[in-house]
Formats: sequence, structure tokens, C-alpha cells
Amino acid sequence: DTAVSQTPKYLVTQMGNDKSIKCEQNLGHDTMYWYKQDSKKFLKIMFSYNNKELIINETVPNRFSPKSPDKAHLNLHINSLELGDSAVYFCASSFSTDTQYFGPGTRLTVL
Amino acid sequence: AQSVTQPDIHITVSEGASLELRCNYSYGATPYLFWYVQSPGQGLQLLLKYFSGDTLVQGIKGFEAEFKRSQSSFNLRKPSVHWSDAAEYFCAVGVSNTGNQFYFGTGTSLTVIP
Repeated sequence: DTAVSQTPKYLVTQMGNDKSIKCEQNLGHDTMYWYKQDSKKFLKIMFSYNNKELIINETVPNRFSPKSPDKAHLNLHINSLELGDSAVYFCASSFSTDTQYFGPGTRLTVL
Repeated sequence: AQSVTQPDIHITVSEGASLELRCNYSYGATPYLFWYVQSPGQGLQLLLKYFSGDTLVQGIKGFEAEFKRSQSSFNLRKPSVHWSDAAEYFCAVGVSNTGNQFYFGTGTSLTVIP
């Protein structure tokens, strides 16, 4: 009964492809997030989303788009993948600004 | 703008020695404060958090942190480090003025030597 789950765990793809990463939380949280962690371990928030609003980090390219079919899911869709998109992507969820619970991460490699 | 600073990129300590990891934040009010740990190849796990009340908070694995408003700091401490504590440590602040936002520091990598 994993609290925050992500699929796939590893994703290897060619430049220019479109891919999605799925995230599900079973904690009943009202807010979900996507983070990108680069090779230097720096964590960059990409999106913050609850049922009221989507907050987008303005530095995130519009090739990245979050899609939320319901409160328990926040998927990340990436168009026209580039080499620089290679990173580990973490999904997280929380009640408001209380503790965030993180998924195990998805390691994306763009060739 | 809100920011979180972890001035130490990498720290090496001997097993059994004490540890202090520094964290400073910039925010107009008192934010919610967190410390997370990330073991190699893993996601982030919460060590402890501060919302209000007693400024010395206890966490898991023997860690504690002290909130000092005057210094805008939330330093993490452990009296005796174990080899299994080797990991990446992240300080974070949570604010809710415009939606729910979290800001993470750049992390401190801890190496523990026998």
C-alpha cells in the first residue's frame, strides 16, 4: 500500500519523442507536485496543483504539462523530449503546506 | 522572494562524531520548515518538521533541529553519526500565500568515514 507511486521507474527514450510519467497518491491529499532533480541533486519544483489552481514554475518549458484526471493522480506529459530533460522526476503530495510525501522517482534518460 | 540556503555542499564526518547541517531561509513570516533525507537511489524521506511551538524539534533516526527566528535558521543536528546516515540532506520551507509552495535548499551531501 504505497502512499505515493510513480510509473515507470526507469524511462529511456529518443530525442523528439513524447512521453508520460504517471503518479498516484492514496493519502487523500489535496495538493500534488512534480519535481525535477538534476545530476547535481538540485531539486527544482515544476508544478504545484490542487483542485483549485495550478501553479507553474515559470522556468519550466511549455513542453511539460501536468494532467490531473482526479485528485489522486497527477501525470506529467512531456512533448518533444530533449537531451537536457534527462533527470530524475519526483512526484509528491501533501495537505496544504504540511509534510510532502515523495514517490520513488522516475529516472528519465533521453538519448 | 522566498529562498532556502544550505551553505555546505558537502560535509565529511567520522562515525560517532557530532553533526550540524546549516539551513537559512528568507521569508517575511515564519514558514513551515522541514528537513528531508535522500539515500542513494531513493526518494525523499521526512526527518522532522517545525510549524510552531517548541523551537527544538525531534525527528526520526536521532536527529533534531532548532528554529532560530532571529537568525532565520533551522539547523539540523545529531550527537553521534552512524555510517548509515551517509546521504543527501535537504532543508525546505512551505508557504501558502499563493497556493501551496515548497522551496528546497540545494542539499548537503554527508559522507561518514569509519
